[in-house]
Amino acid sequence: DTGVSQDPRHKITKRGQNVTFRCDPISEHNRLYWYRQTLGQGPEFLTYFQNEAQLEKSRLLSDRFSAERPKGSFSTLEIQRTEQGDSAMYLCASSLEVTGTEAFFGQGTRLTVV
Amino acid sequence: AQSVAQPEDQVNVAEGNPLTVKCTYSVSGNPYLFWYVQYPNRGLQFLLKYITGDNLVKGSYGFEAEFNKSQTSFHLKKPSALVSDSALYFCAVSVRISSGSARQLTFGSGTQLTVLP
Repeated sequence: DTGVSQDPRHKITKRGQNVTFRCDPISEHNRLYWYRQTLGQGPEFLTYFQNEAQLEKSRLLSDRFSAERPKGSFSTLEIQRTEQGDSAMYLCASSLEVTGTEAFFGQGTRLTVV
Repeated sequence: AQSVAQPEDQVNVAEGNPLTVKCTYSVSGNPYLFWYVQYPNRGLQFLLKYITGDNLVKGSYGFEAEFNKSQTSFHLKKPSALVSDSALYFCAVSVRISSGSARQLTFGSGTQLTVLP
């Protein structure tokens, strides 16, 4: 296990369609985060899991967004009824449960809604 | 509210010259500060962090950063820039998530570093 893996790397979808992204964290990391990055901006926090529990959701995470981490391992992020404003890079990160530890990021899924 | 500012969208430096990428922060309590680098179409790579202790922290690829509490700054530096250092650099502050001990990262808007040969 060499790092955080995200799939797919790129996704083009039509407005109104549903999309799902997958993140496989570093295996011993029990903390998992999703971030969204738009062009010219830094990543913005979306949601956080500790093991299988979703403990925090940003106000950026509208009702059309849902995230799961069913067995405390991989996570999925689903966007329903996509809008053009959802076009962004979606980044997953994971970390150990240690105060001050750094998060390791995947390469991201770039979503384009047309 | 916690925030991070990177006042320069773009920094250009000649290869072999020292480089500085600026970052200032606003946070209540003691800050946990990070620098990440992003290459085109890639995720973020961790460079270095300040949690406590020595104000000068050393990280990957010869980078270092100086924590200055009075100026609320955490500037990234490198004594001699390489063309391969050209990338997008993000400063971030770690803030506590309301539930438990976990923390989330609040990022600056990024600084594009270009090292000219």
